[in-house]
Amino acid sequence: AQRVTQPEKLLSVFKGAPVELKCNYSYSGSPELFWYVQYSRQRLQLLLRHISRESIKGFTADLNKGETSFHLKKPFAQEEDSAMYYCALRPYTGRRALTFGSGTRLQVQP
Amino acid sequence: DTGVSQDPRHKITKRGQNVTFRCDPISEHNRLYWYRQTLGQGPEFLTYFQNEAQLEKSRLLSDRFSAERPKGSFSTLEIQRTEQGDSAMYLCASSPGTSGPGNTGELFFGEGSRLTVL
Repeated sequence: AQRVTQPEKLLSVFKGAPVELKCNYSYSGSPELFWYVQYSRQRLQLLLRHISRESIKGFTADLNKGETSFHLKKPFAQEEDSAMYYCALRPYTGRRALTFGSGTRLQVQP
Repeated sequence: DTGVSQDPRHKITKRGQNVTFRCDPISEHNRLYWYRQTLGQGPEFLTYFQNEAQLEKSRLLSDRFSAERPKGSFSTLEIQRTEQGDSAMYLCASSPGTSGPGNTGELFFGEGSRLTVL
């Protein structure tokens, strides 16, 4: 079975402060990890994937297999980063559907 | 707009009635997924199709739920004898579904169909 845990329902920071959205997963095999974001009145969309090792909108995430974590980080938060963030997992092989965490709402205050 | 479209966007029904949602994926996307999302939760997987074949169904998908994708294009999700616990946002997503480097794993979501069961 696979499980994704996002322990924080809400994270509130001031503009310019660093951000870390936590994600822990449980899966016995090799997973692919993703972060999806939903801005107000917009549809859910992919933010980044661990495979690509890219920085999107200043966000990065590193897969830590030892700690089974995939935390999302940004050094300086912007007001436009305010949104719901969902961590998601799928196996490398077999089941192709994503398993999502419960989400963290990021509020960036001016 | 060439994204995933869902219809209706909102549905209010009385307990015991049947409802049907439609999803039109991005053209040429082979895979189509249905998810359910309730307040304060992330999307929960219901089922997915590769072309017209339904490859996986979640245990969440009770006998009252049925999904089809008859021609491998649009899909319908029907809920029979609705219950108040069925109230949720029903999300559809599609992906190219190809193997190899072109498969990024990205799902493209629709805006969802919100169901309220009175």
